[in-house]
Amino acid sequence: EVRLVESGGGLVHPGGSLRLSCVASEFTFSDYWMSWVRQAPGKGLEWVANINQDGSDKYYVDSVKGRFTVSRDNAQNSLYLQMSSLRDEDKAVYFCARVRRGSYYDRSGYSYYFDYWGQGTLVRVSS
Amino acid sequence: AIQLTQSPSSLSASVGDRVTITCRASQDIRKELTWYQQKPGRAPKLLIYVASNLQSGVPSRFSGSGSGTDFTLTISALQPEDFATYFCLQDHNYPWTFGQGTRVEVK
Repeated sequence: EVRLVESGGGLVHPGGSLRLSCVASEFTFSDYWMSWVRQAPGKGLEWVANINQDGSDKYYVDSVKGRFTVSRDNAQNSLYLQMSSLRDEDKAVYFCARVRRGSYYDRSGYSYYFDYWGQGTLVRVSS
Repeated sequence: AIQLTQSPSSLSASVGDRVTITCRASQDIRKELTWYQQKPGRAPKLLIYVASNLQSGVPSRFSGSGSGTDFTLTISALQPEDFATYFCLQDHNYPWTFGQGTRVEVK
């Protein structure tokens, strides 16, 4: 069974930094795009970042651009999120997720989705 | 950014009820929509991908439909384990965005 295990969350002061990790198992990690998604306490889900299979292509939500960096180490089956200049609004549970691709209209169109998620790691930002 | 608006934001229903949740996109997203179920303290669970494809292992009482801007998640006969929050997600454009969620509560 596919498994994703996040770690690295904790309490950090505003302006501080933190690095989240996600270790993947039971699938060929290097074959998949991977993502980070977050959820503030009591709120909805927010996509944060995507990274392609070899780490050469990355996308971010505007609110974290320039502050967060997504990376991966395929030899270690690991995904990372380096977070800096943390703000109160970054406080959330951070999930890593595997990205799958589905097709429609006889493969003329494609849709990407998260098929497996980790359990999440909580990031708290407080002075 | 593409906005996804779910309605209703919450609903009360009984076991056996038919439940319909809608997700409206602010622009045409073809069929690039996914539905998730989330229970408190848990990660989201994939239900429906590419608007209408049932994920393996998900009960057949769940179904999805729609394309363009209007999408629907239907639970044909609500079961006790279905009380949860449901989210839609679009991947048509970056940034990928989620709907605000629909909470299904016990009536």
